[in-house]
This record gives sequence, C-alpha cells and structure tokens, in this order.
Amino acid sequence: NAGVTQTPKFQVLKTGQSMTLQCAQDMNHNSMYWYRQDPGMGLRLIYYSASEGTTDKGEVPNGYNVSRLNKREFSLRLESAAPSQTSVYFCASIRTLNYGYTFGSGTRLTVV
Amino acid sequence: GESVGLHLPTLSVQEGDNSIINCAYSNSASDYFIWYKQESGKGPQFIIDIRSNMDKRQGQRVTVLLNKTVKHLSLQIAATQPGDSAVYFCAEGLGQGAQKLVFGQGTRLTINP
Repeated sequence: NAGVTQTPKFQVLKTGQSMTLQCAQDMNHNSMYWYRQDPGMGLRLIYYSASEGTTDKGEVPNGYNVSRLNKREFSLRLESAAPSQTSVYFCASIRTLNYGYTFGSGTRLTVV
Repeated sequence: GESVGLHLPTLSVQEGDNSIINCAYSNSASDYFIWYKQESGKGPQFIIDIRSNMDKRQGQRVTVLLNKTVKHLSLQIAATQPGDSAVYFCAEGLGQGAQKLVFGQGTRLTINP
C-alpha cells in the first residue's frame, strides 16, 4: 500500500543513548516532515525537508538532527536522548499542500 | 498541579446528532486550513481543507466554515457515528515551498450510543 512507513513503532532508550528514526514514502512526494506529539497536545514541527538535499529547522529542533537520504527517505536522529524527548514521533510527506499531509503511523519513544 | 495541555477540550454528542468542533487560529496571513482526525494509536488523517478565499466547503458528512474576520474555523460533522470518536485537529498553513503546518491543540470528540 502506498503511504508513509515509519520504523520502529516502539522504542525505549536510556538517557544518553542515541538512535535514528526511519521514515520512507513511496508517493514521489517532494516535501517531508518530522513532528512530535506530546500527551494531550497537537503536533509540533521538529525539522522538515522541502526537497531532496535540503533540510530546515522547525519549531522544536534542539536535540535532533535529520538527513534527507534521497527523495524517499527522511531520518531523524537523537544523538543523546533525554527524558524530555519522550513522545510520539510522526513523519509526514506532501506533494503539494492542496492535498494535505500524509502521515505515518508514528514511533512511540520512551527515554528513561 | 495540572500541566497545561494534558486535558484536551472535549465534546460529547449522542449518536446521530450533529457536532461542531471549533478552532481559533493565530496568523491572519494564513491562507490554507486543514482538519485532521486522529484515532487512538494512529497518525492524523486528512478530513477536509479550505483556502482563505472561501468561507465554506462541504465534504461527505463534514462541512468546514472559515471566518477570517475573527480568525475562527469550525468543523461540522452531520449524523455522527461511533467511528467519528477521535481527536480532531485544525492546522493552518502559509505560503509556498515546504508548506509548514501549525497544529492546534485538538478536541476529543466522544459519541455516546
């Protein structure tokens, strides 16, 4: 099925560990996004990539890095995880905004 | 004490009734608005969108109303069904290029049988 695929679905990290969240889309979309969602709140933009080879900071970029590996893949890296990064992370992509975002199913990350 | 944001605004309606979910947006320059539905454990799903040159748009059982004067957006769901139970988010977008969206806090809609 066409869409946005995120891996892993669940992850528990210890404070200070690093990890990379993977995202891939097979819809030939140009723009890709990483959001985080904390309990009872809306989504906040971490980083985005308007096109292959470009990345820009969103609202809450501190503690994260991203890589737009190719048109399909956009990864999010936590270099030194902190408990404040416990959240659900969503990847999304769009062709044009007229069609809205397509979201992945999320990665639930817990940092202990 | 309570933490801001842990308690979503909630709306409970009887199955079959109409529901109206409201949203205030912040940027008068926003020119695109979307409503998303998020079911438990899933990513947000696109419901309906509207551009700033319109004040109303209808879909299947849903209508979005835009009042630019007071920067207010509403989602009307007709004849609600149990499957409509979810958290609903409005989002506003600006301009060209990457088209970043800014999401509201969300409203939890519960359908009572």
